[in-house]
Order: sequence, then structure tokens, then C-alpha cells
Amino acid sequence: RKEVEQDPGPFNVPEGATVAFNCTYSNSASQSFFWYRQDCRKEPKLLMSVYSSGNEDGRFTAQLNRASQYISLLIRDSKLSDSATYLCVVILNTGNQFYFGTGTSLTVIP
Amino acid sequence: DADVTQTPRNRITKTGKRIMLECSQTKGHDRMYWYRQDPGLGLRLIYYSFDVKDINKGEISDGYSVSRQAQAKFSLSLESAIPNQTALYFCATSDPGIGDEQFFGPGTRLTVL
Repeated sequence: RKEVEQDPGPFNVPEGATVAFNCTYSNSASQSFFWYRQDCRKEPKLLMSVYSSGNEDGRFTAQLNRASQYISLLIRDSKLSDSATYLCVVILNTGNQFYFGTGTSLTVIP
Repeated sequence: DADVTQTPRNRITKTGKRIMLECSQTKGHDRMYWYRQDPGLGLRLIYYSFDVKDINKGEISDGYSVSRQAQAKFSLSLESAIPNQTALYFCATSDPGIGDEQFFGPGTRLTVL
């Protein structure tokens, strides 16, 4: 069983739409959670951390559900520039085991 | 200038050749990592190092070796390249003092024929 599973998509949404991605993880001892963004042929870059209480950064909201072992990313009012692959990352409590999801592809259409 | 650099950016080689990928960073981070990325498989950890004297195997270390020559440099070697090592390779750094964020280099696209 994979440590982290993501729906690969692709998600094709019109500008202004709201879109949500989920990511499930298998190890209940997982300690830290992140969303990264990766543009085509580029390196991943941190989008936001995910906290138990949920956190928001502008149009982006991240949530963690420990009971069901998943994290989510909600993007409101999608922009063309949001088109990218979104990777979830889970870190086990040892702090040195990083597990990346395979990524979810988003294309925002004019 | 980029904080994490990788050389070469692209490389085509033949089966059986020895290849070295280099990573340098100016961020002053102690922790460095090597990943490979394959379509449908995501990023997988090959090796990581928490300081110059520390080397640890990751999820998929077979067929690879690393060298941490200095705090700023972390090299990945393929002793005898094979076609299924064709992938996009990323180096990354992190500083536990500022959380677990990883800072990635631009990647090396390696093709083994």
C-alpha cells in the first residue's frame, strides 16, 4: 500500500471555479503535512503547510482530517495561473521520511 | 542566483556508463536529499544526508551512491546506468530550525539509452 495516494486528475475547470483535491495517507503516525505546487518541467515549491486546525492563504484553504487520514486543498476563484500539478507531502514522526503523492494535475480554462 | 543548483541539467548516456549528478546549495542548510521523479510514481527519495558525516538510504537507493563532500555539496552517482534509471532527478535541502519545508533544485533530466 502506498504511503500517500492522490487522485491524479486531470482536473479541468473554468476560471472562477472552486476546485478541491484530496490526499490520503496510510500511516497514522504521520506528523507533518504540506501541499507543494509543481509547474511543468520545474521543481516543486511549497504552497502551504497543513495544520490540524486548518489554514487559509488567500484563495487557498488546506485542511487535515486525522481521523480519516486525509488532507485537502481547496482553491476558490481559480485563475489561469493556478494551472499546475499539486503534490501532497506527508512526513512521518521521525522527521526524515518524506512521502510525496503522485500529484494532481489542474488546468484552469479561460 | 539560485539557492540550490544542479549540474548537469540534461544528460543522455548509455547503459553501463558511470554518471555523477551534482548538487550545490548556498542556503546554509545541513540537510540535503536526492529524489527521482517518474510519471505516475511521483517523487521518491533515493538518499539523504543530515550533515557531512551522515548518509542514509531512502526508499529506492539500489543502483545509486552518494557523497557529501561538504555542507554545500551532495553528489549522486549511478555506477552503471541502466535504462530504468531514466528519470527527472531533484536535489533538495531543508533546515529543521525553520520547519520541514524542502527547497528543490531545478532538476536534472537523465536519459539512459
